[in-house]
Amino acid sequence: DIQMTQSPSSLSASVGDTVTITCRASQSINTYLNWYQQKPGKAPKLLIYGASSLQSGVPSRFRGSGSGTDFTLTITSLQLEDFATYYCQQSHIARTFGQGTKVEI
Amino acid sequence: EVQLAETGGGLIQPGGSLRLSCAASGLTVSSNYMSWVRQAPGKGLEWVSIIYSGGSTYYPESVKGRFTISRDNSKNTLYLHMNSLRAEDTAVYYCARAVVITGMDYFDCWGQGTLVTVSS
Repeated sequence: DIQMTQSPSSLSASVGDTVTITCRASQSINTYLNWYQQKPGKAPKLLIYGASSLQSGVPSRFRGSGSGTDFTLTITSLQLEDFATYYCQQSHIARTFGQGTKVEI
Repeated sequence: EVQLAETGGGLIQPGGSLRLSCAASGLTVSSNYMSWVRQAPGKGLEWVSIIYSGGSTYYPESVKGRFTISRDNSKNTLYLHMNSLRAEDTAVYYCARAVVITGMDYFDCWGQGTLVTVSS
C-alpha cells in the first residue's frame, strides 16, 4: 500500500498569509496526486489534480507542485473562506488519502 | 448539473448488513468510474471502493470480502453492499465520480454523504 503523509497536521494563519502544506508518498506516484478542501459538515471539494492542474472554478491563489514522492499545496493571500481542512490523495496504486491538514485562523 | 444523492445509512448492529444507494443525475453511472469514500467521525477520508465503467471493481484490504460495489444501469444508481459490519465501519459514506485522465483519476463530484453507525 502507498502511504500518504501530510505535514503539518494543523497550522494557524491570518487572512492575507501564504501557507504551504506538504504531502509525501511512501513510493513514487509520478504526478498522480490530487488535493481537496473540506469544510465542516460538507463533502470534500476538488482543488488540484495531477499535482498541479487547477480544477475549473478554483481560485488561482491555490497552487500545486511536485512529482515523485514530494508534493506541496500553496495558498497565497489566504482568504476567510480558505480556513478548512486539506487532503492530498494518490491514484497511482489504488487510492489513498493523507491524514489531512487543518488550516485555522 | 451533476448531482449525487446517497441514501440508506442508519444504525446497524455489529455483524449486520446494510446497502447504501447513490442516485445520480446529470451523469451516467455506467459510463463513469464511480467510487465510495468514507469518513469516520472526526477523522480523515478513506477510499472504500471503485467500479470502472467496464465493470471491474477494487477495494482496500480494510473492506475487501465484506463490501461490494455495484450499479443498476436502469436506475442510474450506484450501490455499496456492506456485510459483517464492525464498529470501525462507523462513518459518513460519500459517493463520488472519478474522472480518468491518462492513467490518473480524481474525484470531481461528491454527494452529501450518508451516516452509518455500527453499534449495539
